[in-house]
Amino acid sequence: GAVVSQHPSWVICKSGTSVKIECRSLDFQATTMFWYRQFPKQSLMLMATSNEGSKATYEQGVEKDKFLINHASLTLSTLTVTSAHPEDSSFYICSARSLRSEVNTDTQYFGPGTRLTVL
Amino acid sequence: GEDVEQSLFLSVREGDSSVINCTYTDSSSTYLYWYKQEPGAGLQLLTYIFSNMDMKQDQRLTVLLNKKDKHLSLRIADTQTGDSAIYFCAAADNYGQNFVFGPGTRLSVLP
Repeated sequence: GAVVSQHPSWVICKSGTSVKIECRSLDFQATTMFWYRQFPKQSLMLMATSNEGSKATYEQGVEKDKFLINHASLTLSTLTVTSAHPEDSSFYICSARSLRSEVNTDTQYFGPGTRLTVL
Repeated sequence: GEDVEQSLFLSVREGDSSVINCTYTDSSSTYLYWYKQEPGAGLQLLTYIFSNMDMKQDQRLTVLLNKKDKHLSLRIADTQTGDSAIYFCAAADNYGQNFVFGPGTRLSVLP
């Protein structure tokens, strides 16, 4: 149980286009979802936290107009990178956490990540 | 805020034990995690420990926590080539949120 999926697993796009990444909790309801960014050979940096039905809370330095997060349901959150540029190329990882007893409430469950390359 | 540090590289021979160390700064961190990341993949939760515990063992994995020194370690017994990966230490608050990750330790297992 407690599986988180991401789609797509990798995407290549042209500079200036927008890219949407989906994060789904497959077998549990995620009360909170998180989006992280990981640069090559570096650690994960939290970008934003979103609760279902609420606006996302962005970390300092993360442009909310560039990285649009929607958490429309308890099983789906989307991250849209708007007007992507080469410097946005990175590995984006989502995670989900539930406060319900269906899964372990002490941890976040991570998706497999989406590799974005902007040409 | 919380700061989590790890050594960046560790090489061991197959069959030996590996010990990966981690230090954190915020004594109020309640949850301490170890994640494994294989190339091109997401994070896999290996184990975690509550701050009121000293040790946790799970098959080949042993986690030791020295809360006074804010030092966490992960010992992998009988290390195999499949254990080669990056291991991240993470600390979280008492709500299990506000994860702060260390830089990751790249474990190489030599045959």
